[in-house]
Amino acid sequence: GIQVEQSPPDLILQEGANSTLRCNFSDSVNNLQWFHQNPWGQLINLFYIPSGTKQNGRLSATTVATERYSLLYISSSQTTDSGVYFCAVERGGTSGSRLTFGEGTQLTVNP
Amino acid sequence: GAVVSQHPSWVICKSGTSVKIECRSLDFQATTMFWYRQFPKQSLMLMATSNEGSKATYEQGVEKDKFLINHASLTLSTLTVTSAHPEDSSFYICSATGPGWEQYFGPGTRLTVT
Repeated sequence: GIQVEQSPPDLILQEGANSTLRCNFSDSVNNLQWFHQNPWGQLINLFYIPSGTKQNGRLSATTVATERYSLLYISSSQTTDSGVYFCAVERGGTSGSRLTFGEGTQLTVNP
Repeated sequence: GAVVSQHPSWVICKSGTSVKIECRSLDFQATTMFWYRQFPKQSLMLMATSNEGSKATYEQGVEKDKFLINHASLTLSTLTVTSAHPEDSSFYICSATGPGWEQYFGPGTRLTVT
């Protein structure tokens, strides 16, 4: 099956710093999503981005499908950004196809 | 955005009993829902794909007789953990494909088997 690798596995920042999280995948995909899992376990949808660039406030993401990677940028980080960030991809051709998750990046933002 | 709910949010049960977890899509219809399991400090592992009106598709290594899945309507899927044992203790999360191809996740259910 498809492999999804995320880096770095752990990241510690001071409040206000910027960061870049990376997601590499081993095959072409129809869907790529970034999630933030908060301390209570809820997965929050950040971006649905199979290709191109999107921005939402301090967060932005870029997926280069031809080179099989995606980047998540966090600017001016805040303590509330702490948590685990997951990249997940889908290969199937229908809306009911499964997502494969990476191992996640554990982000800690210190005040 | 699309909202998925789960109930209960946490449950404690005794070894040998069964526990049912509900997953609902609140503002959209979902012909397909997914059930994941997550152990502490690990990623999400897909257990099964739940299809409305048909049998679920289980991932390799997942016991279909232990984890019973029913998708009786376009807004409800249930996962029943039968004869639960302490090793079944985990965080169970469901998801559904919303309008378009984006998947939305429920808040999860923390199961502890004593």
